[in-house]
Amino acid sequence: DAMVIQNPRYQVTQFGKPVTLSCSQTLNHNVMYWYQQKSSQAPKLLFHYYDKDFNNEADTPDNFQSRRPNTSFCFLDIRSPGLGDAAMYLCATSSGAGGPTDTQYFGPGTRLTVL
Amino acid sequence: GQNIDQPTEMTATEGAIVQINCTYQTSGFNGLFWYQQHAGEAPTFLSYNVLDGLEEKGRFSSFLSRSKGYSYLLLKELQMKDSASYLCAVGDYKLSFGAGTTVTVRA
Repeated sequence: DAMVIQNPRYQVTQFGKPVTLSCSQTLNHNVMYWYQQKSSQAPKLLFHYYDKDFNNEADTPDNFQSRRPNTSFCFLDIRSPGLGDAAMYLCATSSGAGGPTDTQYFGPGTRLTVL
Repeated sequence: GQNIDQPTEMTATEGAIVQINCTYQTSGFNGLFWYQQHAGEAPTFLSYNVLDGLEEKGRFSSFLSRSKGYSYLLLKELQMKDSASYLCAVGDYKLSFGAGTTVTVRA
């Protein structure tokens, strides 16, 4: 089945120790997104790639970086995780065409714990 | 920018109907989405509205009034598995989400 896969599902890191979260998709979608979601809050868009074009949200901290080496894969790098970065990180994809067929498909998420 | 408001929590009885309201203020409007999110899981798509009126999908319906910046999601014949958070989102390929409404269904 076509899907969005995130690894790992649970990640524990130490304060200040770099961590990388991965996302892959078999939907062949143009757009890939990374969201941060804290408990009982809205998913917050960190950045997205439209094909190879990287789009950073204005309020995304510099501590967060992303790479998209090809259509299928996208990575979220947190260079120096702080306690406030503990959250669920959601990857999503969409075709980018807009309209009713352009729903975002989410992966299962990676729950990050910072010790 | 976008400002999206929805109630924090709602409780209803199995078999009943619940209506979740969403109001939004946006600099541009391209469509409104509703997503369902079970605890600890990813959001899943429920419905999309771009024109005024009601869209019906089985037990779930969604309504939009663009002039009022208002939408609602109607859940009918509630089942226990409908206990989840329901997120209202506005945008096109780039979405702004509300904080979600947690619906608890009681037997």
